[in-house]
Amino acid sequence: AQKVTQAQTEISVVEKEDVTLDCVYETRDTTYYLFWYKQPPSGELVFLIRRNSFDEQNEISGRYSWNFQKSTSSFNFTITASQVVDSAVYFCALSISNAGNNRKLIWGLGTSLAVNP
Amino acid sequence: EPEVTQTPSHQVTQMGQEVILRCVPISNHLYFYWYRQILGQKVEFLVSFYNNEISEKSEIFDDQFSVERPDGSNFTLKIRSTKLEDSAMYFCASRQGFNTEAFFGQGTRLTVV
Repeated sequence: AQKVTQAQTEISVVEKEDVTLDCVYETRDTTYYLFWYKQPPSGELVFLIRRNSFDEQNEISGRYSWNFQKSTSSFNFTITASQVVDSAVYFCALSISNAGNNRKLIWGLGTSLAVNP
Repeated sequence: EPEVTQTPSHQVTQMGQEVILRCVPISNHLYFYWYRQILGQKVEFLVSFYNNEISEKSEIFDDQFSVERPDGSNFTLKIRSTKLEDSAMYFCASRQGFNTEAFFGQGTRLTVV
């Protein structure tokens, strides 16, 4: 199966708390890419990060960090010192190759994060 | 900064009518996609397009759907005879290369009444 599981449907935190959004994936591809996108209330999809399957280095970008563990097929996303503006739905996605020598994204159900003042 | 542009942002149409959703991908991108998101649900792949042809389509993308890149800049999704269940947010996306990230437009919210 090729799928992405985001087990947390909704998370609610108070501003300045750290929060981790979980993502577990399944794929039969040996080369694949993992993504996180943010969907604020306005509805657009904002690219956050891309990670390829050969690069297990964790990444930090400001208050955002990502932990890629191939052994557990997980690609978790942590927001440190959360802010109200972080309130959004966050999607984890898996890019797999398709029959037409192209790639498509398989999406998780999303985690709705509410950061309260 | 280059971006994917979609028009209109919101379209209301009567059941059975044809709609065309328009997208202008980023200019040097080669791979184009349509995804949709029914309200409150996950994003679903509809179709991918490369080298002037469809490279893959999902089960959702039946004979009522078609895509075109008529003039080298626009990328359109046509729904020939809309159904109530076609109501969703439709996202266009484009990628520069095979292994690069996809950039999404702001979406078109289609409401079929």
